[in-house]
Amino acid sequence: EADIYQTPRYLVIGTGKKITLECSQTMGHDKMYWYQQDPGMELHLIHYSYGVNSTEKGDLSSESTVSRIRTEHFPLTLESARPSHTSQYLCASSEWASGSTYEQYFGPGTRLTVT
Amino acid sequence: AQSVTQLDSQVPVFEEAPVELRCNYSSSVSVYLFWYVQYPNQGLQLLLKYLSGSTLVKGINGFEAEFNKSQTSFHLRKPSVHISDTAEYFCAVSVSGNNDMRFGAGTRLTVKP
Repeated sequence: EADIYQTPRYLVIGTGKKITLECSQTMGHDKMYWYQQDPGMELHLIHYSYGVNSTEKGDLSSESTVSRIRTEHFPLTLESARPSHTSQYLCASSEWASGSTYEQYFGPGTRLTVT
Repeated sequence: AQSVTQLDSQVPVFEEAPVELRCNYSSSVSVYLFWYVQYPNQGLQLLLKYLSGSTLVKGINGFEAEFNKSQTSFHLRKPSVHISDTAEYFCAVSVSGNNDMRFGAGTRLTVKP
């Protein structure tokens, strides 16, 4: 079954630690995204990728970085976590082809708490 | 650039009552419109989408939405809600030929017994 996975689902970590949030999809989608979600607010796009070796920053400034070495894998890294990074992080993917409706498929999210 | 406004942050309703969640968008070009649902501790799941054609779109779980170009609206409706419909609902818009999808701030639907 085609799907999109995120690990860990929940993470509590101390200030200054380096963390990597994992995202993988089995749908063969070229386009992948990372969103930050806070209660009562719209989803904010922080990174996206058109395909392997492509990464772009989104609308919301973020201290995180991403990489895209394989089509199916799009990890997000925080070099030094801070309490302001506490949030829910959602990964998504979509087709990127002429005629596509660009409908996005979402993973279950990672809830990050930095103490 | 396009934007989305969800007019109600919270909608409480009793079980088996009808519900409407309102969404307005702004865009100078033709758009694709989406409604997503998010249950607690889960990601977003597509409910329905408008691409073209009939302005009344039917989705999963008995939901439907109507695209109104003159009012730039895409309101979501269900004639009779269940307790299990309690969730956060997000309206989203993307421009044809563009990778950019904009989401509203969400509407929390709470269905009470």
